[in-house]
Amino acid sequence: DAGVTQSPTHLIKTRGQHVTLRCSPISGHKSVSWYQQVLGQGPQFIFQYYEKEERGRGNFPDRFSARQFPNYSSELNVNALLLGDSALYLCASRSRGRLAGVQETQYFGPGTRLLVL
Amino acid sequence: GEDVEQSLFLSVREGDSSVINCTYTDSSSTYLYWYKQEPGAGLQLLTYIFSNMDMKQDQRLTVLLNKKDKHLSLRIADTQTGDSAIYFCAERMDSSYKLIFGSGTRLLVRP
Repeated sequence: DAGVTQSPTHLIKTRGQHVTLRCSPISGHKSVSWYQQVLGQGPQFIFQYYEKEERGRGNFPDRFSARQFPNYSSELNVNALLLGDSALYLCASRSRGRLAGVQETQYFGPGTRLLVL
Repeated sequence: GEDVEQSLFLSVREGDSSVINCTYTDSSSTYLYWYKQEPGAGLQLLTYIFSNMDMKQDQRLTVLLNKKDKHLSLRIADTQTGDSAIYFCAERMDSSYKLIFGSGTRLLVRP
């Protein structure tokens, strides 16, 4: 079975531009989360989507947006790029939608490495 | 508050055991995870433990949880050079979908 896939693998943009990152979850997974990992730090939560609805949002500005499609794939959009947006963007898919009392694990894709010049 | 802390670096000799430590602050955490990240790669889930457990063993990996002290550890037995990587501890609260990660511990295995 294919794991979580992300595209593109690498991307170079300049300040002020817009970027769209894509993620396909593991087959059968309905929940997708996005994380930003700046060099030398742990991943920071950006968004979580389940069944095409936003279910959680981290402490990121409105320049960051996302959506989930009927096939459960997802896009992360970042407008007006800043140098500080340079990072590895990770997508994770999760096997279950409910929280309480249900075993669940999140599986991460290889990430998209974004460099903003 | 939400905060996960890890030591930055650990160096061990091949064949020895490695112990990577983590402390977290939120007592309502329900799941605690260990992820491995190799250079230029994404995160690989190694193991997880539910908060009502004290210990979990999975082949060479042993996870210990001290809920009173909010301390989590990952022991890798017979550490190999292929275990060299960054190891992240993460917590998930019962009321949230998100994972809170530590800053990672870089493990270097010397031959």
